[in-house]
Amino acid sequence: EAGVAQSPRYKIIEKRQSVAFWCNPISGHATLYWYQQILGQGPKLLIQFQNNGVVDDSQLPKDRFSAERLKGVDSTLKIQPAKLEDSAVYLCASSLLAGGTEAFFGQGTRLTVV
Amino acid sequence: AQSVTQLGSHVSVSEGALVLLRCNYSSSVPPYLFWYVQYPNQGLQLLLKYTTGATLVKGINGFEAEFKKSETSFHLTKPSAHMSDAAEYFCAVSGVTGGGNKLTFGTGTQLKVEL
Repeated sequence: EAGVAQSPRYKIIEKRQSVAFWCNPISGHATLYWYQQILGQGPKLLIQFQNNGVVDDSQLPKDRFSAERLKGVDSTLKIQPAKLEDSAVYLCASSLLAGGTEAFFGQGTRLTVV
Repeated sequence: AQSVTQLGSHVSVSEGALVLLRCNYSSSVPPYLFWYVQYPNQGLQLLLKYTTGATLVKGINGFEAEFKKSETSFHLTKPSAHMSDAAEYFCAVSGVTGGGNKLTFGTGTQLKVEL
């Protein structure tokens, strides 16, 4: 079974530029998560989708971050414009259902903003 | 609201010694609890989970954890540490809330295994 796919693995951009990350979850998984993991910290949930609807985006900085999950399958996360403090690993995860079921993680995208 | 507290950001043990990583949770609804491991430059991998039923949960690589409701704890243990166990470990909690099921992570514990 293929795992959660993310691209790119690494990205370096200058502040005020824009960047997009892509995630393809495990086939059939209804729930998709985007997490931000700053160095030395635990993952912080940015947004959670159930199929193509948003369940939780309370910690998404909506003035610069946006995410979509068209057709309830793959998803993109965008940052525009980027700030230095956005440097982090962005993790995508999916689960068959929400809550109580295992979330499977991709390898993440390491973003460096200079 | 849910939260997780992991005591000790760094734990060091000798190879062959007991591993004990502490996790306390807060949840207003019956929790589901998880332990994940993260190796350098990798995503998170599930070690074990508690949903319902038996409170002692066995996971991969010889790890186990016990759900203690009275202590709101879910500590991770392994009887004998191996060098390959060196990694970062995250405790997480989720549960059914009005806003859906959100998986909330602790700040992590870096495990170092010494010869």
